[in-house]
Amino acid sequence: AQSVTQLGSHVSVSEGALVLLRCNYSSSVPPYLFWYVQYPNQGLQLLLKYTSAATLVKGINGFEAEFKKSETSFHLTKPSAHMSDAAEYFCAVRDSGSARQLTFGSGTQLTVLP
Amino acid sequence: DADVTQTPRNRITKTGKRIMLECSQTKGHDRMYWYRQDPGLGLRLIYYSFDVKDINKGEISDGYSVSRQAQAKFSLSLESAIPNQTALYFCATSAAGGYTFGSGTRLTVV
Repeated sequence: AQSVTQLGSHVSVSEGALVLLRCNYSSSVPPYLFWYVQYPNQGLQLLLKYTSAATLVKGINGFEAEFKKSETSFHLTKPSAHMSDAAEYFCAVRDSGSARQLTFGSGTQLTVLP
Repeated sequence: DADVTQTPRNRITKTGKRIMLECSQTKGHDRMYWYRQDPGLGLRLIYYSFDVKDINKGEISDGYSVSRQAQAKFSLSLESAIPNQTALYFCATSAAGGYTFGSGTRLTVV
């Protein structure tokens, strides 16, 4: 079964600093990987997804993630944090079976300091 | 209108009451899912459905039941609500590698 580990339940960065949110996955087959963002009192918004094409995936709002098979990682980065990036971020892997459900990590709360 | 609509958005109910959360979609997707979100635990799968005749339990189905009334409608029921079912519930659909989530239902059981 697939699983996802997000290292760091809370991450704080200064405005303008690099954002790095870590995600490691476990999958028996080439995975489909996703990053979602959840702003306070809102639903989930897709930031980006990896579907076995280019290993560097660009998403919305300046975010990108790099798939590294050797490290089983899919870390999310943004070169310069903005106050509006404060939110909770979830990494997810798609199930390899017919159900195709997503298995989520426990989430990382990003705080951006002025 | 949203592609995936959940009703109600917020609900407070008493322990022991039966409650139904509803989800409807206009995406035309066959696969539908119910997840619950708890702080520090991420989203966990309750039930999923391939079509109206194919419903399957997820990771945390105890205490829940579902009904797929049509391709577009997938309801989640709590037969006898308990306080530890207080959570944010999401409905989702999928097709061709993409997923669409509803805005969520915040349920509080007192």
